Amino acid sequence: SSELTQDPAVSVALGQTVRITCQGDSLTHYSARWYQKRPGQAPVVVISGENNRPSGIPDRFSGSTSGNTGSLTITGAQAADEADYFCNSRDISGIPLFGGGTKLTVL
Amino acid sequence: QITLKESAPTLVKPTQTLKLTCTFSGFSLSSSGVGVGWVRQTPGMPLEWLALIYWDNDKRYSPSLRSRLTITKDTSRNLVVLTVTNMEPVDTATYYCTRDFWGGDGYYFDYWGQGTLVTVSA
Repeated sequence: SSELTQDPAVSVALGQTVRITCQGDSLTHYSARWYQKRPGQAPVVVISGENNRPSGIPDRFSGSTSGNTGSLTITGAQAADEADYFCNSRDISGIPLFGGGTKLTVL
Repeated sequence: QITLKESAPTLVKPTQTLKLTCTFSGFSLSSSGVGVGWVRQTPGMPLEWLALIYWDNDKRYSPSLRSRLTITKDTSRNLVVLTVTNMEPVDTATYYCTRDFWGGDGYYFDYWGQGTLVTVSA
């Protein structure tokens, strides 16, 4: 399968930890990247590889991939983290794939 | 400082061809490992990858849209053009230009333009 599956919505209490997951066969050979998308703004990469966090991204964001599942963990979620999160991988021929997105609500 | 900026008509009619131009600065598309691509999003829908072109002129297209897409680059002018033929109302979206960068264990989209909204309507 060339799809990436995400839960449509997840909520977390302010200051608590939340994990957003992504499943797909491509993740067995290409670790998940994660993008934060706020309305009216361009996507921002928050995880750029196997637990690689670009400069400027808070260290409360972490990522991992195991088997066919990628995970984005936010430890101590903040109100500013409320956004849509998209996982991204590549298929065997290098074609980028995006998950359906997870809407994160911070309560 | 790396920037990318999209330009396109805001309104196109059904069946017309859309030309999207990405003008970038702060990097060269002749540098090994670098690519520039296009991603679009309709409100409330997922990000949808469309096309990529790399420093060596390798081109990749979304399988579902391949027949309608053509991507080209002008390295000397730092721009990438994507044409989309036979536009339909379902193609109404914000189109983003993005740099594809090799991060050591694979590529990722590290810089993005602000996006340009294209509406398809008669």
